Amino acid sequence: NAGVTQTPKFQVLKTGQSMTLQCAQDMNHEYMSWYRQDPGMGLRLIHYSVGAGITDQGEVPNGYNVSRSTTEDFPLRLLSAAPSQTSVYFCASSIGSGASTDTQYFGPGTRLTVL
Amino acid sequence: AQSVTQLDSHVSVSEGTPVLLRCNYSSSYSPSLFWYVQHPNKGLQLLLKYTSAATLVKGINGFEAEFKKSETSFHLTKPSAHMSDAAEYFCVVSDPGNTGKLIFGQGTTLQVKP
Repeated sequence: NAGVTQTPKFQVLKTGQSMTLQCAQDMNHEYMSWYRQDPGMGLRLIHYSVGAGITDQGEVPNGYNVSRSTTEDFPLRLLSAAPSQTSVYFCASSIGSGASTDTQYFGPGTRLTVL
Repeated sequence: AQSVTQLDSHVSVSEGTPVLLRCNYSSSYSPSLFWYVQHPNKGLQLLLKYTSAATLVKGINGFEAEFKKSETSFHLTKPSAHMSDAAEYFCVVSDPGNTGKLIFGQGTTLQVKP
């Protein structure tokens, strides 16, 4: 198993550009999520999905869109990048549907810089 | 609402000495608590988790944590630090609803001196 994979590892955008961060898992996990990590703030939840076709907002969803057309993939879209979206983005997945006891497995992260 | 507070932003120990990383939580429910480790420029790896079974939880790489409800604490310990333990450590509490939301502490950077 490759686990949770994310592409690209690094990305530089200009303000106003759009892009999609890719996340895939090969563990047949129902639950997937996106977090952003900023210095001194830990990780904050952006969006999550409890299964294919189902998504919901997390703590900091503004400026980001998601969809979940397959169990394996959960892309994160930035429609018009802003400097405030400069961050490290992590995708995570777990076997259940979001139960509090589930262990979540994290990808290696995407480091995004918006100029 | 759930929250976690990591009491030290930076901890420095010598190799071979004990490690103590402190975490207090706030939860109106019986919490599920986790410790994750992040090595430089890497993703997050689960060290251990507490889900209302034994209060002393053993994790990977010799780490353990004790859930103390009376003190609302979940401190992480290791008897003897190794150079490879240098990393950032996150104490995490999960949302009790079926959202899968994890609430992270601000992180503690562990430095291990030779």
